[in-house]
This record gives sequence, C-alpha cells and structure tokens, in this order.
Amino acid sequence: DVKVTQSSRYLVKRTGEKVFLECVQDMDHENMFWYRQDPGLGLRLIYFSYDVKMKEKGDIPEGYSVSREKKERFSLILESASTNQTSMYLCASSLRSQPQHFGDGTRLSIL
Amino acid sequence: AQSVTQPDIHITVSEGASLELRCNYSYGATPYLFWYVQSPGQGLQLLLKYFSGDTLVQGIKGFEAEFKRSQSSFNLRKPSVHWSDAAEYFCAVGARGYNKLIFGAGTRLAVHP
Repeated sequence: DVKVTQSSRYLVKRTGEKVFLECVQDMDHENMFWYRQDPGLGLRLIYFSYDVKMKEKGDIPEGYSVSREKKERFSLILESASTNQTSMYLCASSLRSQPQHFGDGTRLSIL
Repeated sequence: AQSVTQPDIHITVSEGASLELRCNYSYGATPYLFWYVQSPGQGLQLLLKYFSGDTLVQGIKGFEAEFKRSQSSFNLRKPSVHWSDAAEYFCAVGARGYNKLIFGAGTRLAVHP
C-alpha cells in the first residue's frame, strides 16, 4: 500500500513565525501536492510538484512556498504565518495519470 | 471555468436505505473523475475512478458511480448504506498527465440506525 506521511497531525504556531509542514511518500511517485481544506470549500490546491526541484502554483499559492529536494519529500512553507492560514493541510502523491493518495492531514492553528 | 458542484451539503439516510450523492462538473476536455471519502480526522481515501470505457464503475465498500457525459454528471450510489459509511464524500475532476484535481465542496453523510 502507498504510504503518505505528514510529519505532524496537530500544530500550533504564532503569527509571524516561519512554519514548515513536511510530507514523505514511499512509492517513488513523480507527482506531489499540497492542499488546504476548509469547511464548505472542499480542497484547494496550493502547490504541486511533478519532479524533483520542479514546482507549479496551484489555485491559492499566496503566502506559501514549497521545496522538493528529494523525490520522496515535499515541504510546504508558510513564510510568515497569519491567522487566516489556520486550516487543515493535506499532502498527496501520485504516479503520472493515476489517482492521488493522501496523508492524514495536519491541522494547523495560527494564534 | 473548470468546476465541480456537489449540490447537497448534508444528507441523512437510514441504515439499510439506498444512497445517491450527486456530482456535476464543468470541464473542457474529457475528464478523469474520482470519488473520495474522508472519515473524521483522516485523509482522503479513493472510492472509485473513471478514466474511460464502461460508464458504470465499481469501487470499494460496495459503491458504484455512473458517468453521464450528456449531463456532465458522475453520481455516486450504494444500494444499502451501513452506519460505517457516515463520512464526508468528495467528487473530483482531473486532467491526464500531472493529474491536477479540482474538488467539489463535499457532501457530509449521516446515517441513522
């Protein structure tokens, strides 16, 4: 089975902090994704990556950046956290043209 | 613009009753279509997918979905709901290649005993 592991289930940070969310997959998938999930809005794509060191903006990239230095790891960075970034963050990975597999999510609170 | 609409925010059914969750999409090309389920505090699990071929697709946990191109719909069905099916269900549409997905807002299903 594909395993997508997010480093934290719950995280509490303060406004203005730099926040790192880590995601690791164990199936040699080319594609990796970061979403945020908010009630009534479904999942919205922040960034995705289709290869090492390659990234593309999703629908809501403002206030976020990403890093993919190794194929198995995809990091989401909040450069200066703000309260409106309080949300559930979901990481996913996939082979090209195949369904995405999701991690269990990180519930992030910014105080 | 590409979009996915799930018209029902909340649905409540009795255990043993049949279920249909609606999904309509707007997409320029032939889409890939997916249904995912999310239990509380968990990530999303793939229920089924449509890529091509037979428009009636079978998934896990006894679910099926039918792709109707003329109606731009991909409704999810189950003949007899179990209490463990209570969860949130997401419909998604994607393109070939990078498989970037667009999700609906979700339908939360409650099951009465």
